[in-house]
Amino acid sequence: AQSVSQHNHHVILSEAASLELGCNYSYGGTVNLFWYVQYPGQHLQLLLKYFSGDPLVKGIKGFEAEFIKSKFSFNLRKPSVQWSDTAEYFCAVNAPRGTGNLIFGKGTKLSVKP
Amino acid sequence: GAGVSQSPSNKVTEKGKDVELRCDPISGHTALYWYRQSLGQGLEFLIYFQGNSAPDKSGLPSDRFSAERTGGSVSTLTIQRTQQEDSAVYLCASNPERGTDTQYFGPGTRLTVL
Repeated sequence: AQSVSQHNHHVILSEAASLELGCNYSYGGTVNLFWYVQYPGQHLQLLLKYFSGDPLVKGIKGFEAEFIKSKFSFNLRKPSVQWSDTAEYFCAVNAPRGTGNLIFGKGTKLSVKP
Repeated sequence: GAGVSQSPSNKVTEKGKDVELRCDPISGHTALYWYRQSLGQGLEFLIYFQGNSAPDKSGLPSDRFSAERTGGSVSTLTIQRTQQEDSAVYLCASNPERGTDTQYFGPGTRLTVL
């Protein structure tokens, strides 16, 4: 069965620090990969996604992620975080040929200190 | 345009009662998903509807849970004889088709079972 692991439960950073959130998935076939973000009091929204092509994908608000197939990883990065990046981040996968339901990691809560 | 809407936003019920949660997907989206977000379990897939096809119910945790989608648009998730472990945020998402498309999430219904 597919599964997604996010290594960090809670990350605390100061503004301007660099961010990397780990995500590994378990699935033998082709997958689509997503990072979703949930800001306090708001609903889940898409940060970025990878379907095919260039394994380095850029999303909104300066976020990027790199798909490394050999490591089954899709880590999220941002060179310099802001207080407004405080949120919970979810990595997710789905199988293009299936129903498309997302398998989520447990999430990483990011707290950015001003 | 309008996003995915869900009602009610909050629902408090007593153990043993039935509840109905409603989802209005984005107009024109044929695929609709229900997920549950609970402490300790993260986000879990519950059920998937695609057009007029039979739904994929593989994620429903028990036969107390059911869902329907009338006219290929609005969906209702019903939980019968609620239990305290049903307390969670129930999220609905839609996308234009399935698989490779981004899922757009609603704000969720927070269910509390006393």
